[in-house]
Amino acid sequence: DVKVTQSSRYLVKRTGEKVFLECVQDMDHENMFWYRQDPGLGLRLIYFSYDVKMKEKGDIPEGYSVSREKKERFSLILESASTNQTSMYLCASSSKQVTEAFFGQGTRLTVV
Amino acid sequence: EDQVTQSPEALRLQEGESSSLNCSYTVSGLRGLFWYRQDPGKGPEFLFTLYSAGEEKEKERLKATLTKKESFLHITAPKPEDSATYLCAVRDFNQAGTALIFGKGTTLSVSS
Repeated sequence: DVKVTQSSRYLVKRTGEKVFLECVQDMDHENMFWYRQDPGLGLRLIYFSYDVKMKEKGDIPEGYSVSREKKERFSLILESASTNQTSMYLCASSSKQVTEAFFGQGTRLTVV
Repeated sequence: EDQVTQSPEALRLQEGESSSLNCSYTVSGLRGLFWYRQDPGKGPEFLFTLYSAGEEKEKERLKATLTKKESFLHITAPKPEDSATYLCAVRDFNQAGTALIFGKGTTLSVSS
C-alpha cells in the first residue's frame, strides 16, 4: 500500500519559532510537494521537489524553505513562524510521470 | 485567473438522490485531470485520473467523465458515508514543474 507519512498530526508553536514539518514516502517517488490548505482558498502549492537536493518554488513560498537530502524525505521549514501561517499542511508525492499524487494525513499547525 | 473551478461549493442530498459535481478548467494543454475525496481533518484520497475527452472511470457509486473543458463526478444513489469534500485537480502541459493545480472543492452532505 502507498504511504506518505507526516511527522505530526497537530502542532502548536509560538510566534518567531523555527518550525520543521517532516514528510516521508515509501513509494520511491521522484516528486514531492508541500501544500497548505485554508478555508475558502483551497490547496495552494508552497514548494515542490523533483529530485534529491532539487527544489522549485510554488505559488506561496514566502516565509518557507524546504530540504530534500534523501529521496524519501521532504521537509518544510518555517523560518520564523507567524500567526498567518496557522493552517493545514499537506505533503504529497508522485512518480516522475506524474500520474496521481498521494497525500499524507496532514499537519494542523497553530501559531500563537 | 482561476484555472480550476468547482461547482457547486456545497451540495446537500438525501440518501439515494443522484447528482453531479462539476469541475471546469482552463489550461494550455491538459496532462491529466484528477479527482480526490477528502474527509474532515484528513489528507485527500485519490479517486480517479482522466487524460482525454470522452474518457470515463467508475468506482462503486462514483463515475467521472471528461470533456475538453470540464469534468463531472456523478454520484448514483449516494449513502451518508459518501459525505466528504471532493477535489478536482489538473496538470497543465505548460505549467512549470510537475505540481497539480486544485479547485476549491465541493462539500457533499448526504442525509439518511
